[in-house]
Amino acid sequence: EAGVTQFPSHSVIEKGQTVTLRCDPISGHDNLYWYRRVMGKEIKFLLHFVKESKQDESGMPNNRFLAERTGGTYSTLKVQPAELEDSGVYFCASSNSGGSYEQYFGPGTRLTVT
Amino acid sequence: AQSVSQHNHHVILSEAASLELGCNYSYGGTVNLFWYVQYPGQHLQLLLKYFSGDPLVKGIKGFEAEFIKSKFSFNLRKPSVQWSDTAEYFCAVTLNTGGFKTIFGAGTRLFVKA
Repeated sequence: EAGVTQFPSHSVIEKGQTVTLRCDPISGHDNLYWYRRVMGKEIKFLLHFVKESKQDESGMPNNRFLAERTGGTYSTLKVQPAELEDSGVYFCASSNSGGSYEQYFGPGTRLTVT
Repeated sequence: AQSVSQHNHHVILSEAASLELGCNYSYGGTVNLFWYVQYPGQHLQLLLKYFSGDPLVKGIKGFEAEFIKSKFSFNLRKPSVQWSDTAEYFCAVTLNTGGFKTIFGAGTRLFVKA
């Protein structure tokens, strides 16, 4: 079974530009999560989807971040416009439904805003 | 605010030494507890989890953790570490917020000397 994939693996953009990160969850996993880890700090929750519906987006930093999951399959996280403090590693994870909370993580996208 | 505290950020051990990594969380409700591990160059993966029942849970590679509700703790242990246990370890709590919100500790980097 294919794991969670993320694209791109690295992205370097200038302040003010737009970047879109993509996450493909494990096939059949209804739950999809986004996290961010700023260097040296903890992994922070951003939001949780069930299918295409946002269940908890309390961790989204501000309205420059927009997450979507059209059709309940892959998800995108757009940062517009990017700021220096948005640099970090963005992780995506997925899990199946039915009360199983184990999350399967992707490799992450390292975003550098210069 | 909910939080997860890991007591040590860096631990250096020799092979065959015993390991205990501390984890405390602050949340008064029902929690699901996890330890995740990230080996060098690999994805975050589940080490073990606690939902209910026996508070002593066993995970992969000889790791175990004990949930002590009165202390809000979920410490990770291994009687004898190996060089291959060199990794970063994360304690995490998943809360039911209507969605599932996972709060991670800051991580502990373990280096095992051969």
